[in-house]
Amino acid sequence: EAGVAQSPRYKIIEKRQSVAFWCNPISGHATLYWYQQILGQGPKLLIQFQNNGVVDDSQLPKDRFSAERLKGVDSTLKIQPAKLEDSAVYLCASSLGWKRTEAFFGQGTRLTVV
Amino acid sequence: TQLLEQSPQFLSIQEGENLTVYCNSSSVFSSLQWYRQEPGEGPVLLVTVVTGGEVKKLKRLTFQFGDARKDSSLHITAAQPGDTGLYLCAGVGASGSRLTFGEGTQLTVNP
Repeated sequence: EAGVAQSPRYKIIEKRQSVAFWCNPISGHATLYWYQQILGQGPKLLIQFQNNGVVDDSQLPKDRFSAERLKGVDSTLKIQPAKLEDSAVYLCASSLGWKRTEAFFGQGTRLTVV
Repeated sequence: TQLLEQSPQFLSIQEGENLTVYCNSSSVFSSLQWYRQEPGEGPVLLVTVVTGGEVKKLKRLTFQFGDARKDSSLHITAAQPGDTGLYLCAGVGASGSRLTFGEGTQLTVNP
């Protein structure tokens, strides 16, 4: 069974530029999560989808971050414009959903904003 | 917001020693998960505990869920260098949706 796929693995951009990350979850997983992990810290939930609907985006900085999950499968996370403090690893995870919350993570995208 | 506090934040021990990592919260969770993360990789699920007081063993790892479902512990017996990594606990809210992570315990096992 294929795991969660994320791209790109690494991205370096200048502040005020925009960037987009892509995630393909495990087939059949209804729930998709985007987490931000700053070096030395635990993952912080940015947004959670159940199929193509948003379940929780309370910690998403909506003035600069946006995410969508069209057709309830793939998802993209965008930052526009980026700030220095956005430098982090962005992790995508998926789970079966419906109280099956065991999450399977991708390798993440390491973003450096200079 | 449900917060999970992990302790210790860093732990460096010699091969063969035992250790315990703690995960505490003031909130009740419907279940609690433990993950291990290695550099450059995403977290990997180790175990899920669901019932208050539950104890699960995975080879040399023993996981316990508190009776009140607010805390958990991970005990490693005879640690090996391969156990090195970031150990994360994650709680599932009472509504059964949001998965909230603690800050992690960075474990280093020296040969």
